[in-house]
Amino acid sequence: QQQVKQSPQSLIVQKGGISIINCAYENTAFDYFPWYQQFPGKGPALLIAIRPDVSEKKEGRFTISFNKSAKQFSLHIMDSQPGDSATYFCAASHGGSQGNLIFGKGTKLSVKP
Amino acid sequence: DGGITQSPKYLFRKEGQNVTLSCEQNLNHDAMYWYRQDPGQGLRLIYYSQIVNDFQKGDIAEGYSVSREKKESFPLTVTSAQKNPTAFYLCASRANIGQQVFAANYGYTFGSGTRLTVV
Repeated sequence: QQQVKQSPQSLIVQKGGISIINCAYENTAFDYFPWYQQFPGKGPALLIAIRPDVSEKKEGRFTISFNKSAKQFSLHIMDSQPGDSATYFCAASHGGSQGNLIFGKGTKLSVKP
Repeated sequence: DGGITQSPKYLFRKEGQNVTLSCEQNLNHDAMYWYRQDPGQGLRLIYYSQIVNDFQKGDIAEGYSVSREKKESFPLTVTSAQKNPTAFYLCASRANIGQQVFAANYGYTFGSGTRLTVV
């Protein structure tokens, strides 16, 4: 119930392509869904986040799509660049700001030039 | 600039030795967290603290201890009871809702991590 399942574990995309990472959850009480980006040897950084009252949120080349009925959300990276190569984590929490984040296991993205 | 500082960046531990990882934040955040990261395992919660002088065990607390005597500081001790301590350790902090205006972008701020190796 508390898990967030993330796929794929690794992803290789050509420069200019679309990268798609998917996450699924079971706990319907989750109400906050962020994505984090982590470069090697660094801590994760918040990339974009969504609440379940909207189905999509876009910030530049990054878009979160949220499907409440399917209990799934995904990250789309448009026009992927080599600089996007990193590990991406989805997460979820409930209880608004007081809930601890539950993280997916991460997706290692490699964008080939 | 506000942020979280973890030190040292690299740490080597001998068998049977306790070591302490430092985490300091100047963001005025109430909540602080320690995570362990292993390849393919994602981020696993060790301990967290919502307020000063109070902390709770996470999913993998065995072999670790923490203290929260000041709001700014949340050190993690890896004890000799932790049999497999080699990992990348991440500290994070989070503001409580009263400190945030836009809830949709509310999130954790992470430090740059400490890589601990047993020698």
